[in-house]
Amino acid sequence: QQQVKQSPQSLIVQKGGISIINCAYENTAFDYFPWYQQFPGKGPALLIAIRPDVSEKKEGRFTISFNKSAKQFSLHIMDSQPGDSATYFCAARDSNYQLIWGAGTKLIIKP
Amino acid sequence: DAGVIQSPRHEVTEMGQEVTLRCKPISGHNSLFWYRQTMMRGLELLIYFNNNVPIDDSGMPEDRFSAKMPNASFSTLKIQPSEPRDSAVYFCASSLTSGTTGELFFGEGSRLTVL
Repeated sequence: QQQVKQSPQSLIVQKGGISIINCAYENTAFDYFPWYQQFPGKGPALLIAIRPDVSEKKEGRFTISFNKSAKQFSLHIMDSQPGDSATYFCAARDSNYQLIWGAGTKLIIKP
Repeated sequence: DAGVIQSPRHEVTEMGQEVTLRCKPISGHNSLFWYRQTMMRGLELLIYFNNNVPIDDSGMPEDRFSAKMPNASFSTLKIQPSEPRDSAVYFCASSLTSGTTGELFFGEGSRLTVL
């Protein structure tokens, strides 16, 4: 119930393509869903986040799509660039205000 | 503005030795988190403090691990004695608001290798 399942584990996308990373959860008490981006040798940094009362949030080339009934949310990166190559983590906040993390997706954008 | 500062960035030690990792959170932040990252287990929350008080240490692996936050600008994570399975990257993060209602700001991590 406390898990957040993230897929795929790794992803290779051509430059200019769309990168899609998916997450699923079971606990309906989760109330906040952030995505963090981590570059090698650095700590994760908040990329974009959504609350369950909206179905989509867009910031530049990054979009979160949220499906409350399916208990799924996804990150879309439009016009993917080599600089987007990083590991992406989805997370969900539980009723104790703790973040439950996905396992991460290593994204490689090929030039 | 300075971010979360961790030291050392890299530590190589031998099994049985004591390891102390240090963290300076962002000034004004009142929550501090210690995470461990490995390929096998991903990001694991070890402990978190709110206003210098440990709130949840259920993620601390065992008694060999201890964490302190003597004041709002400093925290330590100690491993004594260290074991090879403790090898990982340890991250400190801070947040402006209580719990994880706000954005987590991570340091660059301390990479620990126990031989």
